[in-house]
Amino acid sequence: EVQLLESGGGLVQPGGSLRLSCAASGFTFNTCAMSWVRQTPGKGLEWVSAISGSGGTTYYADSVKGRFTISRDNSKNTLYLQMNILRAEDTALYYCAKVPNSSGYLFDYWGQGTLVTVSS
Amino acid sequence: EIVLTQSPDFQSVTPKEKVTITCRASQTIGSSLHWYQQKPDQSPKLLIKYGSQSFSGVPSRFSGSGFGTDFTLTINSLEAEDAASYYCHQSSSFPLTFGGGTKVEIK
Repeated sequence: EVQLLESGGGLVQPGGSLRLSCAASGFTFNTCAMSWVRQTPGKGLEWVSAISGSGGTTYYADSVKGRFTISRDNSKNTLYLQMNILRAEDTALYYCAKVPNSSGYLFDYWGQGTLVTVSS
Repeated sequence: EIVLTQSPDFQSVTPKEKVTITCRASQTIGSSLHWYQQKPDQSPKLLIKYGSQSFSGVPSRFSGSGFGTDFTLTINSLEAEDAASYYCHQSSSFPLTFGGGTKVEIK
């Protein structure tokens, strides 16, 4: 059974930093690309970042480029999102999502999310 | 950036009725269009991939169609458990984008 468990969310002041983690199990982690998708409370979905299975290729939404860094540790089956220079508009529920093996960047499994609140 | 426009934003439907949700892409995306269901206080779940392929375990009343710029999600014979928001998503090019969502309410 595929499981994705996010952690690391919390309350942070504008300009601050936070690192999210996503512990994965139930599949061969290093063969699957992964992604972060966020959702503002009561609103729609916004893709944030993605990373290939090897970690060698990364992609970012313009809204986070230069501030967020996606990475992965395949020895620990864990995905990360380092978020710096946080802004109020980064407040959202952050989901970790799995990309099917040998597939385009769709998401076949999602975690339960971790809430990030940026406020003074 | 490819913009996905969903319609309607909201739909109130009686059980056993048919529901049709459309998603229009601002440029052609082939079949790289996927549909997700999100129930209240839950994470999204994949329903349909590549326009018309049902994901494992999805009830047969859910189906998808379309190619290029115009896509449709159909729910035949709506059930009470189908009350949710539905989102389309394109993986044709980065940045990946989602439609604004369609909330389906059961009358």
